[in-house]
Amino acid sequence: SQTIHQWPATLVQPVGSPLSLECTVEGTSNPNLYWYRQAAGRGLQLLFYSVGIGQISSEVPQNLSASRPQDRQFILSSKKLLLSDSGFYLCAWSPGTNTDTQYFGPGTRLTVL
Amino acid sequence: KNQVEQSPQSLIILEGKNCTLQCNYTVSPFSNLRWYKQDTGRGPVSLTIMTFSENTKSNGRYTATLDADTKQSSLHITASQLSDSASYICVVSAYSGYALNFGKGTSLLVTP
Repeated sequence: SQTIHQWPATLVQPVGSPLSLECTVEGTSNPNLYWYRQAAGRGLQLLFYSVGIGQISSEVPQNLSASRPQDRQFILSSKKLLLSDSGFYLCAWSPGTNTDTQYFGPGTRLTVL
Repeated sequence: KNQVEQSPQSLIILEGKNCTLQCNYTVSPFSNLRWYKQDTGRGPVSLTIMTFSENTKSNGRYTATLDADTKQSSLHITASQLSDSASYICVVSAYSGYALNFGKGTSLLVTP
């Protein structure tokens, strides 16, 4: 069966510090991968998606970036965090041929102080 | 403007009671609609999925309905349990693109 992992589970970082969140998927190959952010009282916002290694599409302009160094690894990064980057970050995957069926990871709670 | 609107924003009910959550959407062309349950601090988990031709779909005590003509969906929870306390998110996908359209969710609290 397929599983999706995210770490860390929680993170507290000062403004201006770098960020690296990691997501890995097991039990499938060539998945589509997604990064979402969920701010308090708001719906999920798609940040990035990837349909293959090295292929990243950005949905919204921001100071975050994403990379996919391996087939089942998706990384969310920032060089300098802003207060507004605080939120709940969710990674999701979907089968390569079905983008509708997205399965979510456990999430990372990021607090920028 | 968000293409998926959910109501109510929050709801408190007594254990054992039923409740109904609403979802209205403007997403077009419509592909399917999902209801997700998200426990606090966890990722969303899919409860039901309905395509254009489906009017109702059940998953245990959860029953979702879809009226594609009026672009409305509802999620009915029967005989609520404390473990039903969570945020319920309506998600609508269109035929084009990778982005799903998420509602802001309804926060449900079931009290003893």
